[in-house]
This record gives sequence, C-alpha cells and structure tokens, in this order.
Amino acid sequence: ETVLTQSPATLSLSPGERATLSCRASQSVSVLLAWFQQKPGQAPRVLIYDASNRATGIPARFSGSGSGTDFTLTINSLEPEDSAVYYCLQRGSWPWTFGQGTKVEI
Amino acid sequence: EVQLVQSGTEVGKPGESLKISCKASGYTFTNNWIGWVRQMPGKGLEWMGIINPSDFDSRYNPSLQGQVTLSVDRSISTAYLQWSSLKASDTAIYYCARPETGISLISHWGQGTLVTVSS
Repeated sequence: ETVLTQSPATLSLSPGERATLSCRASQSVSVLLAWFQQKPGQAPRVLIYDASNRATGIPARFSGSGSGTDFTLTINSLEPEDSAVYYCLQRGSWPWTFGQGTKVEI
Repeated sequence: EVQLVQSGTEVGKPGESLKISCKASGYTFTNNWIGWVRQMPGKGLEWMGIINPSDFDSRYNPSLQGQVTLSVDRSISTAYLQWSSLKASDTAIYYCARPETGISLISHWGQGTLVTVSS
C-alpha cells in the first residue's frame, strides 16, 4: 500500500498569507495525485488533479506541483473561506490512499 | 448535470445487515466506475473500494476485504454498499464518488450517508 504523509498537521495563518501543504508518498505515484478540500459537514471537493491541474471552478489561488513522491499544494492570498481540512489522494496504485489531512485555520 | 444522491441516515445494531445506496444521474451509468469512501467520526478519509457498472468488476481495499460488498443495479443506475453483519466500528459517514478514468480527477461525490451502529 502506498502511504501518503501530509505535513504539517495544522497550519494557522492570516488572511492574505500563503499556505504551503506537503504530501509525500512512500513510493512513486507518477502524477496521479489529487488534492481535496473538506469543510465540516460537507463532502470532499476536488481542487487539483494529476498533481498540477486545477479542477473546474477552482480559484487560481490554488495550485499544485510535484511528481513521483513529493507534492505540494499552495494556496495564495488566503481567504477566510479557505479554512478546511485538505487531503491528498493517490491513484497510482491500488488501494487508492489518502493522506491523513492538513487542517488550515485562518 | 451529474448527480450522486445517497440514501439517508441509518441506525443499526451489531450483527444486523444493512445496504445503503447511491443513485447516479446525468450521465451514462456504465461509463464510469463508482467508488465508496469511509470517514469515521472525527477522522480522515479512507477509500473502501470501486465497482465497474459495465461488467461488475470490483476491487476492495485489502483492509476491508470480506467486510463489505459492493454491487450495482444498472436498471436504476444505483450503486450499493452492504454489510452482512454490522459492527460498532462501522459507524461512519460513507460517501460514494465517481472517479474519472485514467486521471486522478474525482469531481462528483454523493452527499454522504451516516451509519450509526449501536446496541
């Protein structure tokens, strides 16, 4: 099983700042990695797929990078509504696995 | 518009059987796999398994093998997740989702079904 390790566990930032979230895979997943945002009581929402592609309707302040085992989600100019838990998901090998999540507090 | 609409909250007792559903609309049901994701109370997300409605092929997370069964009814474009014998540890929110083929995009999710198992 491919283990995804996210860091940090929690990120506390102010509006307008930049958030940098990391996701490291225990083995290569190529670019088959997605990022999701989840707010309390809601289903996950995809932000980024295939490491760096923004999903439809996602603001440009969200960006992803990386390949192989190291991935980054960057959120520029944080807004209060960006408070959420962010998960990475790999689809490079079965079973698909999520990271444990990074909680972003604004 | 693609929609995945899940069945409502369930409360069951240990040892009981249970089946929850995910009704798809807005696309050809047999064109995409359907998957299920578990979220235990206050915890993260766990991918449980996926099923291909076109040929019923299914894959399970080895950590859950034998504990749940995935199925579909193509006539009503509905996917199911079922338990033959519930345990307290099955208490969770369960989401269905539609992964796109060949890329890591998963845009479409159900609203989630809360399952509570308690004696």
